[in-house]
Amino acid sequence: GDSVTQMEGPVTLSEEAFLTINCTYTATGYPSLFWYVQYPGEGLQLLLKATKADDKGSNKGFEATYRKETTSFHLEKGSVQVSDSAVYFCALMDSNYQLIWGAGTKLIIKP
Amino acid sequence: ETGVTQTPRHLVMGMTNKKSLKCEQHLGHNAMYWYKQSAKKPLELMFVYNFKEQTENNSVPSRFSPECPNSSHLFLHLHTLQPEDSALYLCASSQARDGDYEQYFGPGTRLTVT
Repeated sequence: GDSVTQMEGPVTLSEEAFLTINCTYTATGYPSLFWYVQYPGEGLQLLLKATKADDKGSNKGFEATYRKETTSFHLEKGSVQVSDSAVYFCALMDSNYQLIWGAGTKLIIKP
Repeated sequence: ETGVTQTPRHLVMGMTNKKSLKCEQHLGHNAMYWYKQSAKKPLELMFVYNFKEQTENNSVPSRFSPECPNSSHLFLHLHTLQPEDSALYLCASSQARDGDYEQYFGPGTRLTVT
């Protein structure tokens, strides 16, 4: 079945560092891909998405490119802030329009 | 109120209690979801309702009973829970529109079973 694998956390960085959180997937066909973010004490929010190969999703300085060759959708940000500390989830939408989730990666940004 | 709201935000219950979680969406969506979020585990989809009809039940124990009286409200009735049911329960909604099925989440109910 479809699956999503994320790098394990926590990922700890200093403010203004470059961020990469890896995400790879296994799926039939070319599913839509998503990154969601969960701030402490809150529900999940859609951060960005890409619906077809080579699409780049972007929001709030975060970017991810849909790479079908490597079945990846890595999340990147050029300069992180303390306010980016959260848990980040990669997900794909399967053929039944249900989301298949990665385990989440906790990001800690130190001032 | 906007978006997806959930009440209560926190709930502590004994194993013999009966309680209900409530979710309300103010987005005009036609699908609603219950998820369970446990520490260090992927989100677990529990139930899906489309147009008030249950379309998904991912082998959830019968001590969890969902109810969807209309497209804006979703309940999760709880009875005789186990300590391992302690988790964050998240509600979400979506509306299929031009292939966009983005899910919008509520803040969750933190459930502790003692």
